[in-house]
Amino acid sequence: DQQVKQNSPSLSVQEGRISILNCDYTNSMFDYFLWYKKYPAEGPTFLISISSIKDKNEDGRFTVFLNKSAKHLSLHIVPSQPGDSAVYFCAASAFGNQFYFGTGTSLTVIP
Amino acid sequence: KAGVTQTPRYLIKTRGQQVTLSCSPISGHRSVSWYQQTPGQGLQFLFEYFSETQRNKGNFPGRFSGRQFSNSRSEMNVSTLELGDSALYLCASRPTGNTEAFFGQGTRLTVV
Repeated sequence: DQQVKQNSPSLSVQEGRISILNCDYTNSMFDYFLWYKKYPAEGPTFLISISSIKDKNEDGRFTVFLNKSAKHLSLHIVPSQPGDSAVYFCAASAFGNQFYFGTGTSLTVIP
Repeated sequence: KAGVTQTPRYLIKTRGQQVTLSCSPISGHRSVSWYQQTPGQGLQFLFEYFSETQRNKGNFPGRFSGRQFSNSRSEMNVSTLELGDSALYLCASRPTGNTEAFFGQGTRLTVV
């Protein structure tokens, strides 16, 4: 049972434009959400997180939005750069317990 | 601070054999989790250890087991390997509570 879903396996965006990656979850007990970036043959790298008490968190070019009523979060990257090309995973946890990961979205930023 | 270290990086085993993977967490991190990554399946949670006790377990058969030592280092063991166990195995450590986890580079296991 996939509690965290990323329905878009891939996304292509022009350099300088906005990249929007989406994630849906089913468990209303999730209270902490994260985005990770992964290059081939490397472990995932933490990007940004958000607590369920917030609806937005920003860090430089990266912003995460949380819509609890829709059980949906998104990651916005503005402006997108070729170095952002990677697989992005969203993850969620409840009460500090295990993370549930989505299946990932492969982002390609075209120069 | 040194990051999460996983050894070995690559491993080739034959069906039916067993394998042990090792993970050294970031100093001071007491929680260590293991994940399996296969194409199209994302990161599947195997188990989490905290202070030498298994705190959570994912939906994997009993052939997959782990342990954590008093210095927080962790090992994962897979017995009676199957071809489908070929995957990237990732270890992650974190302090307590709602914080991000830090991943190692993974061990690429190939079962032939």
